[in-house]
Amino acid sequence: GAVVSQHPSRVICKSGTSVKIECRSLDFQATTMFWYRQFPKQSLMLMATSNEGSKATYEQGVEKDKFLINHASLTLSTLTVTSAHPEDSSFYICSFTPGGHTDTQYFGPGTRLTVL
Amino acid sequence: GESVGLHLPTLSVQEGDNSIINCAYSNSASDYFIWYKQESGKGPQFIIDIRSNMDKRQGQRVTVLLNKTVKHLSLQIAATQPGDSAVYFCAETAIQGAQKLVFGQGTRLTINP
Repeated sequence: GAVVSQHPSRVICKSGTSVKIECRSLDFQATTMFWYRQFPKQSLMLMATSNEGSKATYEQGVEKDKFLINHASLTLSTLTVTSAHPEDSSFYICSFTPGGHTDTQYFGPGTRLTVL
Repeated sequence: GESVGLHLPTLSVQEGDNSIINCAYSNSASDYFIWYKQESGKGPQFIIDIRSNMDKRQGQRVTVLLNKTVKHLSLQIAATQPGDSAVYFCAETAIQGAQKLVFGQGTRLTINP
């Protein structure tokens, strides 16, 4: 299957700082990428859909000014958690669908964010 | 909003036995369903998918069954192995549209030696 990488795999930061998470598709071009958040022992919740070259579409309840998404190329999307707080501590996972049509979504390995 | 749910949050089976994980979905517009396996600290891994024009699909040691009448999805794993221990999620989406996946709550499968 398609390979998706995320960096960093885990990060610990102080409250009030900003953290950037990178998501790269390594062997496919991805016009659309997705960002999910997963709290412990819970399911994945879609945060936003990232479209290359255009603004991301955020799900209801997700603050676009807090979770900045940049999909500047067909292989890279970034999620920046601004002014992070302890309640933002979570597992952040990206995914994409090769080819742009509904098909298997391939997920990255996730980034564990801990805000102190 | 509508969501995908699961009947059992945990399931324990003996190594070598078959396991069945169930999922109920409520969005009648969903026409594409996927099962994912997630190991601790990792991202979801695709297992098998099925479109709504089918009621059964088989892979290697796994079978997905879809019953559209009662909006039920199941994942059967044959001859379970210790490496099958993980959390399994079903997900649904509509082929036409935004391709958004709605995930179920997950079932933790434990394989006992």
